[in-house]
Amino acid sequence: GAGVSQSPSNKVTEKGKDVELRCDPISGHTALYWYRQSLGQGLEFLIYFQGNSAPDKSGLPSDRFSAERTGGSVSTLTIQRTQQEDSAVYLCASSTQGYSEAFFGQGTRLTVV
Amino acid sequence: GESVGLHLPTLSVQEGDNSIINCAYSNSASDYFIWYKQESGKGPQFIIDIRSNMDKRQGQRVTVLLNKTVKHLSLQIAATQPGDSAVYFCAEISSNTGKLIFGQGTTLQVKP
Repeated sequence: GAGVSQSPSNKVTEKGKDVELRCDPISGHTALYWYRQSLGQGLEFLIYFQGNSAPDKSGLPSDRFSAERTGGSVSTLTIQRTQQEDSAVYLCASSTQGYSEAFFGQGTRLTVV
Repeated sequence: GESVGLHLPTLSVQEGDNSIINCAYSNSASDYFIWYKQESGKGPQFIIDIRSNMDKRQGQRVTVLLNKTVKHLSLQIAATQPGDSAVYFCAEISSNTGKLIFGQGTTLQVKP
């Protein structure tokens, strides 16, 4: 289908290692969001990309977190020197700019051991 | 992180009854207020939205009410079905920034 695709679906990593999470948005969607969801919790905003504008990074919890979006399409969320508290589901969503209907991927479940 | 607040963490209703899920928001500058549904193991899915200059909008079996005076948003589900069991999040977005912010969620449990 032509939905939002995230990879990997599951990732187990050792504390201190770096991880990269990938998001393929719906073609043509100019807005791309990353959220973090801990077990039983809400969606914590991390970062927002809109077209060629500078991304809104106000939700990134520390300088260990970074994200980029290449060519206005695929996005990668990188977590350096992972900690156990980074364990969560990382969700990506895309939408047409300004529209309230965002389409979500299935998420990447990150477990730091 | 940023979020919109919710009143109740869990709501349990009988199949066939109507459900009302509530939400409080703080950002009066938002242009749209939205409800999303998240089933176990899946990403959230858009249900319905309401523009900030409206107070009511109806969809199929769902109605969203917006009270700007008290900054309150609600989702009403008519004739609740087992398939409605999920976590429901309210969210808000500003057309200027396009930033989509979510609340903490309410778990809806439908008893057969």
